[in-house]
Amino acid sequence: QVQLVQSGAEVKQPGASVKVSCKASGQSFTGYYMHWMRQAPGQGLEWMGWIYPNSGETRYTQKFQGRVTLTRDTSISAVYMEIHRLTSDDTAVYFCAREEAGTYKYDNWGQGTLVSVSS
Amino acid sequence: EIVLTQSPGTLSLSPGERATLSCRTSQSVSSSHIVWYQQKPGQVPRLLIYGASNRATGIPDRFGGSGSGTDFTLTISRLEPEDFAVYYCKQYHDSPTFLYSFGQGTKLEIK
Repeated sequence: QVQLVQSGAEVKQPGASVKVSCKASGQSFTGYYMHWMRQAPGQGLEWMGWIYPNSGETRYTQKFQGRVTLTRDTSISAVYMEIHRLTSDDTAVYFCAREEAGTYKYDNWGQGTLVSVSS
Repeated sequence: EIVLTQSPGTLSLSPGERATLSCRTSQSVSSSHIVWYQQKPGQVPRLLIYGASNRATGIPDRFGGSGSGTDFTLTISRLEPEDFAVYYCKQYHDSPTFLYSFGQGTKLEIK
């Protein structure tokens, strides 16, 4: 049973960048898309983008295009989400999730990483 | 960009009652691209329904999904106490964007 383990909580100042990791244990990423979502306090889920670790191909929703970068390190079955130019509006719990290619469903989620942006 | 609108925003029902949650898309989407999740406070979302009508592994048969085109529905036939949570629909838009989006969620609360 694969487990997605995300890095720990972060506190950042406005204007800084943050990089959150998501590592798979128990199974490789081969054949899976890895997605990133976020959830601001008391708000709903917001989809951010995906990366296909096999090729490194990425897609981002327009809101995050140019400010979010998704990368991967297949040697350690990890994917990363980096946000630049943080503002207080980026304070949220960030989730990674796995999609078996072509199924459109996320059957496995990371535990979430709280990123707090405050001066 | 396809927008998903869920209604109602909050649904107040009692255990044993039937719940009907709606998800409307701004453009027609393939039913195979519609997925529903359940999220309880402080927890990670849980996969409920995929392909608009297929229950995920371990999901009780009181949960059902239906719909096509722009209108999709999640039905819980007889509410159990553990079903009170927030429910999100999600869609995938194929070429040329290959992007996803979530609805804003429906909170199902105990009346």
